[in-house]
Amino acid sequence: DIQMTQSPSTLSASVGDRVTITCRASQSLNRWLAWYQQKPGKAPKLLIHKASSLESGVSSRFSGSESGTEFTLTINSLQPDDFATYYCQQYKIYPWTFGQGTKVEIK
Amino acid sequence: QLHLQESGPGLVKPSETLSLTCSVSGDSISSSSYHWGWLRQPPGKEPEWIGNIYYNGITYFNPSLNGRATISGDTSKNQFSLNLKSVTAADTAVYFCARIRIPPPGWVPYDVWGQGTVVTVSS
Repeated sequence: DIQMTQSPSTLSASVGDRVTITCRASQSLNRWLAWYQQKPGKAPKLLIHKASSLESGVSSRFSGSESGTEFTLTINSLQPDDFATYYCQQYKIYPWTFGQGTKVEIK
Repeated sequence: QLHLQESGPGLVKPSETLSLTCSVSGDSISSSSYHWGWLRQPPGKEPEWIGNIYYNGITYFNPSLNGRATISGDTSKNQFSLNLKSVTAADTAVYFCARIRIPPPGWVPYDVWGQGTVVTVSS
């Protein structure tokens, strides 16, 4: 299985901050990586696919990038609605696997 | 607009079979533009991929389930179902169904989700 190591597990930030979440894959993904946002009691919401493609309807404050097996989700100008848990997911090879999650909290 | 809705028992006894259905409205599960999947999320943990069913009925499953899962589609009802046999307390989770877009140039995983259904395994 491909292991997805996400960091940090928790991140404290303020409204207006720029935050970065990292996900490292145990092998090459050829950019087959997605990012999701999840709020308590809700289903995950797709933000980014193919490492850097913004899903339709998602704010352009969200962006994704890739460098080898390391992937980054950046949120610019953090808004109150952005406080949530974020997950990466690889979909290159079955079984598809998720990172452990990053909870973005209000500082 | 596409809508997915999970349904099934919220409580299952150990060693029994968990059966859930995902009802799809707004598009056809046999459309060649989509595949469909089941995922679950234990309390306080990340989502876990259970398996996918392709529009042509081909299925793939997480090996961690040791062959306990099956997914089937019913095009007449526009729904797909998950059966997970021999459940234990470790199968307690929120279960989600979701859609995969398959346009060129590549797949887009899980762009639409159901709201999820809580399943507890307990006697």
